[in-house]
Amino acid sequence: KQEVTQIPAALSVPEGENLVLNCSFTDSAIYNLQWFRQDPGKGLTSLLLIQSSQREQTSGRLNASLDKSSGRSTLYIAASQPGDSATYLCATGTASKLTFGTGTRLQVTL
Amino acid sequence: DAGVIQSPRHEVTEMGQEVTLRCKPISGHNSLFWYRQTMMRGLELLIYFNNNVPIDDSGMPEDRFSAKMPNASFSTLKIQPSEPRDSAVYFCASSLARTNQPQHFGDGTRLSIL
Repeated sequence: KQEVTQIPAALSVPEGENLVLNCSFTDSAIYNLQWFRQDPGKGLTSLLLIQSSQREQTSGRLNASLDKSSGRSTLYIAASQPGDSATYLCATGTASKLTFGTGTRLQVTL
Repeated sequence: DAGVIQSPRHEVTEMGQEVTLRCKPISGHNSLFWYRQTMMRGLELLIYFNNNVPIDDSGMPEDRFSAKMPNASFSTLKIQPSEPRDSAVYFCASSLARTNQPQHFGDGTRLSIL
């Protein structure tokens, strides 16, 4: 059974800092790994999807990496902004069934 | 393009009542997922459909929960009878199966059972 862990559970950083969120998973036989953002009272918004054959994906200030052999993924956020404050979840699994981590709650302060 | 639409957004009802949650997936998506999110257990997959057929309902907690997808544009999740421990946020998501495209989530239904 796939288990996904995210560290840290919460993080507070001043605006402008670069930061890294971590995700680890126990079963390396994955189809892809996805990073989502969740704002309070809202659903999840997809940020980046890394296919199992890929090592990283980039979108704007976000960069996600994948190391299947070690069961790890990181989400790098450059030059953080207050608008980045949200909970970030990673998820992985088969083509149809995702297992989610419990998320990292990020607060970017002025 | 309209996203995944869920209704109602909030539901408060008394223990023992029947609760029906509704979901309209994104047009053209052929996979639909129901999730439950709680503080204690995080986001859990309850059931998913592919081409309107239930594929995996192993996450459905017990017989009080049932889900249907009568057509490609509509799905329901029903709880009967409801219990206080069913209180959670229920999300519906849809995607194009096996295309390495992400799942798209609705804004959820916040359910409170008194």
